[in-house]
Amino acid sequence: DTAVSQTPKYLVTQMGNDKSIKCEQNLGHDTMYWYKQDSKKFLKIMFSYNNKELIINETVPNRFSPKSPDKAHLNLHINSLELGDSAVYFCASSQDWRDPSSYNEQFFGPGTRLTVL
Amino acid sequence: GENVEQHPSTLSVQEGDSAVIKCTYSDSASNYFPWYKQELGKRPQLIIDIRSNVGEKKDQRIAVTLNKTAKHFSLHITETQPEDSAVYFCAASMDRLAFGKGNQVVVIP
Repeated sequence: DTAVSQTPKYLVTQMGNDKSIKCEQNLGHDTMYWYKQDSKKFLKIMFSYNNKELIINETVPNRFSPKSPDKAHLNLHINSLELGDSAVYFCASSQDWRDPSSYNEQFFGPGTRLTVL
Repeated sequence: GENVEQHPSTLSVQEGDSAVIKCTYSDSASNYFPWYKQELGKRPQLIIDIRSNVGEKKDQRIAVTLNKTAKHFSLHITETQPEDSAVYFCAASMDRLAFGKGNQVVVIP
């Protein structure tokens, strides 16, 4: 009955590899997000999708490509991994962020700790 | 876009004392101000939030105050306990959430 789940929890890989992180939410939310949290704990928004449509695309290298097959899933694929990609990646979801009457709370997944060697 | 500043970056308090974390925001159109708590190795979780039509909100030992004119809001934790030790993030939003850089609170037993 986990609200927002991510797999894998830990990911250790070599520089140059390609990897994916998966996220699923069972809250019936329309909006999903990817955040990167670096060693200084700063939470930086990367992408957001609303009902499978990309709505936020911050300044992120194009090696990062999100994919939303349906509104309950938002996956993150990373090509040609670099040392600086090492971080914890959090998926989150909320109700439709464009609806001013919506409750805006974001529910976070448990995080995926990515280590690039 | 919205810019949220959070101070201090680290705060140490004796158990039982109060802790106050302050945030400022730049976009006067922001109307939603949540606070998230992140314990070590865990996910951020909402602990309290306030909307721009309210000046103060309280939930047991935590409270949030909002000054729209000055564009700042604060988190107050009273009677701090060791389990309050965590990183606290403020955020502001009209449509998308902009997070502050976080504040490490350490409660010393």
